[in-house]
Amino acid sequence: DADVTQTPRNRITKTGKRIMLECSQTKGHDRMYWYRQDPGLGLRLIYYSFDVKDINKGEISDGYSVSRQAQAKFSLSLESAIPNQTALYFCATSADRPSNNEQFFGPGTRLTVL
Amino acid sequence: AQSVTQLGSHVSVSEGALVLLRCNYSSSVPPYLFWYVQYPNQGLQLLLKYTSAATLVKGINGFEAEFKKSETSFHLTKPSAHMSDAAEYFCAVSEDAGGTSYGKLTFGQGTILTVHP
Repeated sequence: DADVTQTPRNRITKTGKRIMLECSQTKGHDRMYWYRQDPGLGLRLIYYSFDVKDINKGEISDGYSVSRQAQAKFSLSLESAIPNQTALYFCATSADRPSNNEQFFGPGTRLTVL
Repeated sequence: AQSVTQLGSHVSVSEGALVLLRCNYSSSVPPYLFWYVQYPNQGLQLLLKYTSAATLVKGINGFEAEFKKSETSFHLTKPSAHMSDAAEYFCAVSEDAGGTSYGKLTFGQGTILTVHP
């Protein structure tokens, strides 16, 4: 079974709709991240959480919100989706120590906003 | 603030040829550097990482990268390309400076590698 799972894997929605993307992990990691990937721009950090009570904005948080329901679950919401939020979204996790640890990525959610 | 620049959004090589993917970084403190690979319709997978030990780092699938502080570079190489190496490759930097940047990765724009028969 995959260590980091994302649901749904694909979603098509309309402008103005509320959308939630979910991420679950079985790695026991404290840290979780949400990124979006756009062609030619690499991955950009939306939000990150270092533990259940610690949530921080990344470089492109406008239009997004998150919820850390438990150590293993981190959800990303688009309150009112717009077409330029069409992208590939990745969740990732990492251990708290050591500080040079790698991030483990989920398979991604492809979101299309019409 | 940290940043990463990958030179060349597309690189095309013949099977058996040398692969060279370029990455330059900027960081105000000694960095940790990573290369990730993304195969079609998949998430990112770690290829290798530099963590201030040896400057030449060996990774999976025959890839290696050399950290050159004087050039602020961390280029990825493989002596002989294989068809299965076709993917998108991302360089990333993390700072261990404490504070709000602690543990966060900044990614380059990505390089798509095409391997021709």
